[in-house]
Amino acid sequence: DVKVTQSSRYLVKRTGEKVFLECVQDMDHENMFWYRQDPGLGLRLIYFSYDVKMKEKGDIPEGYSVSREKKERFSLILESASTNQTSMYLCASRDGFDSPLHFGNGTRLTVT
Amino acid sequence: GIQVEQSPPDLILQEGANSTLRCNFSDSVNNLQWFHQNPWGQLINLFYIPSGTKQNGRLSATTVATERYSLLYISSSQTTDSGVYFCAVRTSGTYKYIFGTGTRLKVLA
Repeated sequence: DVKVTQSSRYLVKRTGEKVFLECVQDMDHENMFWYRQDPGLGLRLIYFSYDVKMKEKGDIPEGYSVSREKKERFSLILESASTNQTSMYLCASRDGFDSPLHFGNGTRLTVT
Repeated sequence: GIQVEQSPPDLILQEGANSTLRCNFSDSVNNLQWFHQNPWGQLINLFYIPSGTKQNGRLSATTVATERYSLLYISSSQTTDSGVYFCAVRTSGTYKYIFGTGTRLKVLA
């Protein structure tokens, strides 16, 4: 079974802090994603990476950056956390375009 | 862009009942998946089903790509089936999945 691991289930940070959310997959998947999920807004794509060091902006990249230095790890960075970034963050991976998405457990981030 | 609509938005069942969840999409799709989001927020992959029918225990799914819909059947529902069910689709020429708004299911003991 594919395993996608997010480093934290719950995280509380202060406004202005730099925040790192880590995601690791164990199946040598090419593609990795970061989504955020908010009530009433559904799942929205923040960033997509189709290979090591390759990335594309999703629908809501503002205030975020990403890093993919190794194939198995995809990091989401909040350069200066703000309260409107309080959300559920979900990482996913897949082997290629015609393969299923697999999600991690999610990280509930609260910015105070 | 493609629209993905799920129905019903909310569903309450007694344990043991059967149900059908529907996903309609407005354009041709290459990929379609069904997910269950449990109360802890984890999205669990149920079916990868761009066309045809699949079964896994009490759950089955059918996608009729030519008519642009997919159905998820839950038989003999259990309280652990509670949560939100999402369908997600991908069209050709894009890497993105578009998620439906979900069906919130509550199964009562």
